[in-house]
Amino acid sequence: QKEVEQDPGPLSVPEGAIVSLNCTYSNSAFQYFMWYRQYSRKGPELLMYTYSSGNKEDGRFTAQVDKSSKYISLFIRDSQPSDSATYLCAMTEYSGGGADGLTFGKGTHLIIQP
Amino acid sequence: DADVTQTPRNRITKTGKRIMLECSQTKGHDRMYWYRQDPGLGLRLIYYSFDVKDINKGEISDGYSVSRQAQAKFSLSLESAIPNQTALYFCATSDRPDSGNQPQHFGDGTRLSIL
Repeated sequence: QKEVEQDPGPLSVPEGAIVSLNCTYSNSAFQYFMWYRQYSRKGPELLMYTYSSGNKEDGRFTAQVDKSSKYISLFIRDSQPSDSATYLCAMTEYSGGGADGLTFGKGTHLIIQP
Repeated sequence: DADVTQTPRNRITKTGKRIMLECSQTKGHDRMYWYRQDPGLGLRLIYYSFDVKDINKGEISDGYSVSRQAQAKFSLSLESAIPNQTALYFCATSDRPDSGNQPQHFGDGTRLSIL
């Protein structure tokens, strides 16, 4: 079972707000977790890559993984209109994709209002 | 220049035609993947290749074939296109796990419409 659940949105917030994006999953074997950002007519761009549970911060972005709850989050601080995009969570059992590539959520469409 | 280049970027064709989508990469990665993206369904894996001599089916390989011509080139073919293969197609690459945690990197996609 590899289902990954992600609210499709759209999620609309004012500029400067803190944004919280979430995914839940059912396969307890997943141990590598990614967040991708996808602009219209572009490919997914890797934002964050984490292994197992814990937090990882990169600039305005923080990724959080709670394996016990099978729940991952991406927080965006001081959101900007340029952050408006679709955010995809992805996960796998193996580094680099392994036998089955990545399992993706369906993406959340985020709109940052100026 | 993009690290992962897909050609063509857009293609409109008719049912029954043979179509080839091409992917080339300058990242030096061993592993390459083909995904399709459909509204409401997300990204799904079609085929993947861990090196030039290794080809594997993904979740939705029926109706597709692939060729790994070189480490840097991985092409996807639709032998006889049908309308429900209309989608956005992405190529991705990743390095070997023994080089540390290695995420996948995507090209900008091919938008394929089959009439």
